[in-house]
Amino acid sequence: GENVGLHLPTLSVQEGDNSIINCAYSNSASDYFIWYKQESGKGPQFIIDIRSNMDKRQGQRVTVLLNKTVKHLSLQIAATQPGDSAVYFCAEKGAAGNKLTFGGGTRVLVKP
Amino acid sequence: DAGVIQSPRHEVTEMGQEVTLRCKPISGHDYLFWYRQTMMRGLELLIYFNNNVPIDDSGMPEDRFSAKMPNASFSTLKIQPSEPRDSAVYFCASSHRGLWNEQFFGPGTRLTVL
Repeated sequence: GENVGLHLPTLSVQEGDNSIINCAYSNSASDYFIWYKQESGKGPQFIIDIRSNMDKRQGQRVTVLLNKTVKHLSLQIAATQPGDSAVYFCAEKGAAGNKLTFGGGTRVLVKP
Repeated sequence: DAGVIQSPRHEVTEMGQEVTLRCKPISGHDYLFWYRQTMMRGLELLIYFNNNVPIDDSGMPEDRFSAKMPNASFSTLKIQPSEPRDSAVYFCASSHRGLWNEQFFGPGTRLTVL
């Protein structure tokens, strides 16, 4: 897939370190949030989701934190691996409808 | 399951030509979404269908774009006439009502309009 190239914020991480990717969302009425991972040449892939009635959710090596007060979402990746190198998008769903609005993305580069 | 299938994977055409992009959603999924991804605008929803019916096409940029879903296993996105600014990667995604929020994306079609 064509990631939002030169204008993407980039996070460089040493292999084995933890990564934190941040996302500010716009709609205070959004009730559902998802993190997607997009590797070069591929479509976005679901990582983890969280509903607005939660402030934390954990998956395998990933944790999503939601702060509704400041409309902030973060994705934490534990023990980052080379395979984690990709562009990460947050997406929000408004209180009505099935539409997802995607953020601009953050590129994560894992250094060996 | 083979996942969402899109064709062609790459398309190069000249301005003014008609372009048709194709998508086969995951069997059993009742939502289908068409997205466009560009460097400048990121990932944008163009249109989505539920049970083959278009629900929201507010993201379709203009009348040159049209989408159809004649049955549960096939959808097309057509651009006629195409323009250079339509160059982008077009993704199709599908989801199941019970899991509608987890959208499974296809590999995309990279369109270049010269």
